[in-house]
Amino acid sequence: NAGVTQTPKFQVLKTGQSMTLQCAQDMNHEYMSWYRQDPGMGLRLIHYSVGAGITDQGEVPNGYNVSRSTTEDFPLRLLSAAPSQTSVYFCASSYNTGPSYGYTFGSGTRLTVV
Amino acid sequence: SQKIEQNSEALNIQEGKTATLTCNYTNYSPAYLQWYRQDPGRGPVFLLLIRENEKEKRKERLKVTFDTTLKQSLFHITASQPADSATYLCALAGGYQKVTFGIGTKLQVIP
Repeated sequence: NAGVTQTPKFQVLKTGQSMTLQCAQDMNHEYMSWYRQDPGMGLRLIHYSVGAGITDQGEVPNGYNVSRSTTEDFPLRLLSAAPSQTSVYFCASSYNTGPSYGYTFGSGTRLTVV
Repeated sequence: SQKIEQNSEALNIQEGKTATLTCNYTNYSPAYLQWYRQDPGRGPVFLLLIRENEKEKRKERLKVTFDTTLKQSLFHITASQPADSATYLCALAGGYQKVTFGIGTKLQVIP
C-alpha cells in the first residue's frame, strides 16, 4: 500500500516552460487536492477534486490546471511557469469529500522556477 | 477574513515534559479541527481530529482540546521524546471542502 505518490521529487524549470506534477493514490479515495507550501505561509489549496471527472478551484488556482480522469490520478499542470510558482507542492487525498477524515499527503515536489 | 494563528516561534522543551501547542482562530466557525505532524522535507501526517461538539480527544500520548468559545485548540504531547521534534500544523475544517491550515509550530524536544 503506497499511499499517495508524487513525482518528481525535485524539478527546476525555466520561466515560461510548462510541466505536469504527477499524483497517484492507491487507497480508492474520492477526494484529492493540490496544495502549495511557502515559507511563513500555511498550506494553500490550489485545486481539488471530489471524484473522477469533477474538479474545482481552491484559494490560489491561477497558473495551474487539473483534470481527474480516474479515481487514482490527479495531475497538476503548470501552464507557463513563473518564479512566483517556486514552492513545495503537496498532493493530498481523503476517504470522502467531507472534512471529517484527515488527509493523506504525498512527500511533495520541490519546484524551482528560474 | 479567516485567520489561524499558531506560535510562529519554535517551542523548546525538555525530554519527559509535556509540550503544549496553541492554535487560535478568528472569523471562522469550524466544524472540525485537525492536527498534523510535518518533518523536514516530508508531507504532513494526520494525527488527530476533534469535532466542534467534543471538548477533548486523546490518542496515546497526544491530547487535543477544542474550545469554540475561546476559538482555540490546545495540542498536548505528554512525556515528550526527542523523536517528537517536528512541526505541528493545525487545520480548521468548516463546510464542504473548506480546510484551512495554519503555518505550524516547530517543536524541539531536548534530551
